[in-house]
Amino acid sequence: GNSVTQMEGPVTLSEEAFLTINCTYTATGYPSLFWYVQYPGEGLQLLLKATKADDKGSNKGFEATYRKETTSFHLEKGSVQVSDSAVYFCALSEHSGGSNYKLTFGKGTLLTVNP
Amino acid sequence: GAGVSQSPSNKVTEKGKDVELRCDPISGHTALYWYRQSLGQGLEFLIYFQGNSAPDKSGLPSDRFSAERTGGSVSTLTIQRTQQEDSAVYLCASSLEAGGDSPLHFGNGTRLTVT
Repeated sequence: GNSVTQMEGPVTLSEEAFLTINCTYTATGYPSLFWYVQYPGEGLQLLLKATKADDKGSNKGFEATYRKETTSFHLEKGSVQVSDSAVYFCALSEHSGGSNYKLTFGKGTLLTVNP
Repeated sequence: GAGVSQSPSNKVTEKGKDVELRCDPISGHTALYWYRQSLGQGLEFLIYFQGNSAPDKSGLPSDRFSAERTGGSVSTLTIQRTQQEDSAVYLCASSLEAGGDSPLHFGNGTRLTVT
């Protein structure tokens, strides 16, 4: 079956530090890959996505590149801010019969950014 | 409302009692999803609705769990004879359509505690 493994947290950084949150996946087909973010007191929301190999998703200064050869989708940001403190979830959806409704999530990584 | 609304936000119940969790999706969203997040675990898919029908119920843990959706809008997740292992955060999400990488919009969840 499908699975997503992401680095365990918590991750604590100082403002303006470089961020990497690793994510690898297992899928039998051709998944789309996502990063969702959950800010304190809010629901999960889509941060970025990539739908095929070598695509780069980007949003709010975050980037992730779909690497089929290493089955990875690592999240990076060059300079984090206090407002980036949140829980980050890596997820995949696998195309099956033209539908890819079912997301498989990693366990989440808590990021805390200190001033 | 502007987002996915779930009620109640918190529910404490005694073992053996039935509970109902409600989800109001974003207006116009045809697809609705229920996920469960247990302590230290990722999000676990439970069931998905397209309109009022549920093409995939494969994630429901047991026959004590059921869900329905009426009018292509509100959904109710019912847990009968609750057990302590049912304690978790139950998340509802909706999307404009199923498949096609339509992003999921999540509610803030219902935190269920079974004592």
